[in-house]
Amino acid sequence: GDSVTQMEGPVTLSEEAFLTINCTYTATGYPSLFWYVQYPGEGLQLLLKATKADDKGSNKGFEATYRKETTSFHLEKGSVQVSDSAVYFCALSDRGNYQLIWGAGTKLIIKP
Amino acid sequence: EAQVTQNPRYLITVTGKKLTVTCSQNMNHEYMSWYRQDPGLGLRQIYYSMNVEVTDKGDVPEGYKVSRKEKRNFPLILESPSPNQTSLYFCASSSGGGPQFFGPGTRLTVL
Repeated sequence: GDSVTQMEGPVTLSEEAFLTINCTYTATGYPSLFWYVQYPGEGLQLLLKATKADDKGSNKGFEATYRKETTSFHLEKGSVQVSDSAVYFCALSDRGNYQLIWGAGTKLIIKP
Repeated sequence: EAQVTQNPRYLITVTGKKLTVTCSQNMNHEYMSWYRQDPGLGLRQIYYSMNVEVTDKGDVPEGYKVSRKEKRNFPLILESPSPNQTSLYFCASSSGGGPQFFGPGTRLTVL
């Protein structure tokens, strides 16, 4: 069945460092891909999405490109801030965007 | 303001005492879902509903019930809670082709 694999955390970086959180997927169809973020004590929020190959989703300085050839959707940010500390979830949907398949989440810690 | 609300936000209860966690959305979404989040296990879907009176099991439905009598509400019922249901619960909703909107979560402890 479909699955999502994320790099294990926690990932600890200094402020202004470059961020990459890896996400790869397996799917039988042509899924839509998402990154959600969960700040401490809060619910999940959609960070960005991409619905077809080579699409780039972007928001709040974060970017991810839908790479069909490598079945990947890595999350990147050029310069992280302490306020980016959160748990990041990669997810896919190939059934009309109703059902989501989730990665395990990656905790990001940014130190000043 | 578009939102998904859950109540209560925190609940401590004892084994076997029936409880209901409410979920309500004001976006007229047809799809609603319940998840539980446990350390190291990520998000696991409990039940979902594609529309009023249409519900279906997710990955971990045992010990839970749901109902969808109105479009905006999707309560989660634990008829006889057990300690292994101690978790953080999230309700979410979406409309066709759109992202899921999440509630703030309910932290449940079953003693």
